[in-house]
Amino acid sequence: AQSVSQHNHHVILSEAASLELGCNYSYGGTVNLFWYVQYPGQHLQLLLKYFSGDPLVKGIKGFEAEFIKSKFSFNLRKPSVQWSDTAEYFCAVNAHNYGQNFVFGPGTRLSVLP
Amino acid sequence: ETGVTQTPRHLVMGMTNKKSLKCEQHLGHNAMYWYKQSAKKPLELMFVYSLEERVENNSVPSRFSPECPNSSHLFLHLHTLQPEDSALYLCASSEGGYSPLHFGNGTRLTVT
Repeated sequence: AQSVSQHNHHVILSEAASLELGCNYSYGGTVNLFWYVQYPGQHLQLLLKYFSGDPLVKGIKGFEAEFIKSKFSFNLRKPSVQWSDTAEYFCAVNAHNYGQNFVFGPGTRLSVLP
Repeated sequence: ETGVTQTPRHLVMGMTNKKSLKCEQHLGHNAMYWYKQSAKKPLELMFVYSLEERVENNSVPSRFSPECPNSSHLFLHLHTLQPEDSALYLCASSEGGYSPLHFGNGTRLTVT
């Protein structure tokens, strides 16, 4: 069965610090990868997605993620965080041959201090 | 505005009640999903409908009963729930296949 792990439960950063959130998945076949963000009191929103091609994908609000197939990883990065990036971040995987089952990680809560 | 509307936003029900959650999507999508979000646990897929046919059912107890009358509407009928069913229930839609999910704001359910 597929599974997704996220390395950190809660990350606390100061504004302008760089961010990297880890995500690893367990499926060995072809996958589509996603990062979602949930701002306080809001719905889950798509930050970025990887389907194929360039393993470095850029999303909204200055976020990017790198797919490293050999490491089964899809880490999220941002060079300089802002207070408004305070939110919960979820990594998700949809593995081919598993139908429309999107598997989510447990989430990482990011707190950015002004 | 998400394009996916869930009602009610909050629901408190006793263990012997019957209630329903409603989801409506305005995005022209043809797949709809129910997820359960509990504290400190990953989102759990409950049901998937594609073109109004159920295509995934992740061993959900029969006290949860989904209904998809058309591609824009999805219901989750609740009957004799347990306190451990208290959670945030999220509805999502997509264009189908491996397309990204678009989520609603969720219904916060409390079972007393």
